[in-house]
Amino acid sequence: EPEVTQTPSHQVTQMGQEVILRCVPISNHLYFYWYRQILGQKVEFLVSFYNNEISEKSEIFDDQFSVERPDGSNFTLKIRSTKLEDSAMYFCASSQVNEQFFGPGTRLTVL
Amino acid sequence: GNSVTQMEGPVTLSEEAFLTINCTYTATGYPSLFWYVQYPGEGLQLLLKATKADDKGSNKGFEATYRKETTSFHLEKGSVQVSDSAVYFCALSPTDNYGQNFVFGPGTRLSVLP
Repeated sequence: EPEVTQTPSHQVTQMGQEVILRCVPISNHLYFYWYRQILGQKVEFLVSFYNNEISEKSEIFDDQFSVERPDGSNFTLKIRSTKLEDSAMYFCASSQVNEQFFGPGTRLTVL
Repeated sequence: GNSVTQMEGPVTLSEEAFLTINCTYTATGYPSLFWYVQYPGEGLQLLLKATKADDKGSNKGFEATYRKETTSFHLEKGSVQVSDSAVYFCALSPTDNYGQNFVFGPGTRLSVLP
């Protein structure tokens, strides 16, 4: 069964460093998403992406964040200068219709 | 705006007990409704879904019925097992259109004791 994959599973970085989280969505899906979950808290929407551009973003998704689909398979989330409060689990999702399929997540730890 | 409310728990039950986790929503239009489960240290797994009023989603002994009149999608299981211990998230997709972001409830932690 096709699935969304994410790498790395765990990323540790120093505050102020740039990180890139990678996702491979399901191949025939057209819509891509990033969500985050701060430890013990709810899952929050960050951004959705369609037709090579952002279709919707939340107030969390500020200028420090960017997304890109650099080729036909990867979908990346970049945080330019990480802050302590960016420590969270980041989930990628993709959809063809309204059911979204989630990846296993990348745990980002900012020291 | 769109929102999902669910009992926050934690919920602690003995094995074979009956489970109900309440979920209510606020949305415009006709959302699709979902339950996701997150086992310790893992990602989100779709447990079940319902896309229109009166639909019943079911999987692994869990059930939830889309009740438009009460704007609810309560999760139930007749006999829980220790392996059901996890966090359960109720979520909605706002419309039938493509590309709409999900809105998640805060999650309910379930602990099942042997």
